[in-house]
Order: sequence, then structure tokens, then C-alpha cells
Amino acid sequence: KAGVTQTPRYLIKTRGQQVTLSCSPISGHRSVSWYQQTPGQGLQFLFEYFSETQRNKGNFPGRFSGRQFSNSRSEMNVSTLELGDSALYLCASSLSGTQVGELFFGEGSRLTVL
Amino acid sequence: QQQVKQSPQSLIVQKGGISIINCAYENTAFDYFPWYQQFPGKGPALLIAIRPDVSEKKEGRFTISFNKSAKQFSLHIMDSQPGDSATYFCAASQGAQKLVFGQGTRLTINP
Repeated sequence: KAGVTQTPRYLIKTRGQQVTLSCSPISGHRSVSWYQQTPGQGLQFLFEYFSETQRNKGNFPGRFSGRQFSNSRSEMNVSTLELGDSALYLCASSLSGTQVGELFFGEGSRLTVL
Repeated sequence: QQQVKQSPQSLIVQKGGISIINCAYENTAFDYFPWYQQFPGKGPALLIAIRPDVSEKKEGRFTISFNKSAKQFSLHIMDSQPGDSATYFCAASQGAQKLVFGQGTRLTINP
């Protein structure tokens, strides 16, 4: 069974640009979550989608957005990039519908903002 | 209230020893407490998890001890091996697919 796939794995952008990251969950998983990982702030929850609906949202500015498609694949977008957005962005998928369960993480997309 | 505090930040243990990592939380509504293990270049992977209705859960060499009254939980790794060298994260959740993570502990097992 294929794991969670994130693309691209690495990317470099400049301030003010926007970026779109993609996540393909494990087959059959309908919940997709996004986390930001930085050395200073650790792992922080961005948002979670289930059946194309955003179910939970973290404390990030509106520049961070996401969506989920009917095949459960998800994208997140960051607009007007700032230096502080440099981070590893992790996608995780889960079978769980209502109660929290095991999250399966991808290897992440490492974003560098210059 | 949403924070999970993890200690120590780094830990060095001799092969065969016991590794202990501690976490504390404030939100009494948290009802799911997992531990994740992360190797360099990889995403975190679930190691073991506990719900507050039990005080201890053991899976192989890994044990979670949970103290509801003290709002603390800890991970014990028995007979630590060099392959256990990784970063460990505790986390907590309140009935939703939204984990609050601790800051992480970098564990090094010396051979």
C-alpha cells in the first residue's frame, strides 16, 4: 500500500510569491491534515479536511489556505510568502471519520523563502 | 491552555538503558495522547498512543505512563538501541483530527 505522497519535496521561492503544495493520501483515507514544522515553533497544525470540507483550522493567517478534492487529494497554498514561512510542510492522512486516530505522515515539502 | 510541554529537549542514553521523555498539558479536555517518532528526512510516525481511561500502555519496549491528576504523561523506552536514535514528539488532541505537539526530544543512543 502506497504511503502519503507529497510534491514537490523541495522548493525555493522569493518573498511575495505564492506556492502550492500537493498531497496524495493513502488510498481509502478521507481525512487529510497539514502541519508546519520549524526548528523554533515545532509542529503546528494548519488545517484538516474531510470529504472536501475543512473541519478544523489552526491559528495561521489567511495567507494559508487549502482544499481537498473528491478523490481526497489535497493542496495547500501560501500567498504573499514571507521569510518566516520557510519550513517543512507535512501532510498526514487518516482513516478516521469522527474520533481522532493514527495519522500517517508524508515526508514533507521543504519550502525555502529567500 | 492548548500547549503541551515536553522535556528534555535532548537526551543521551547508553545502549541497553532506559530512555524517559516527559510531557505535561493544561487542557483537561484532551482525550488522546500519542507519541510520534521522526527520523531525519522522514515524516513523524506513530509509535504508541493512550487514552485517559488507562494509566499505562505497553507495546514491546515502549511504554506510556499516564497521570491524569497531574496532567502528565511519559514515554519509557526500555533496552534502548542505537536504532531508537530519533526525535520524539508527544501530542494531545481534543476529540478532533487536530494534534497539539510538544517541542520534541532529540534522543541519541550511544553504542
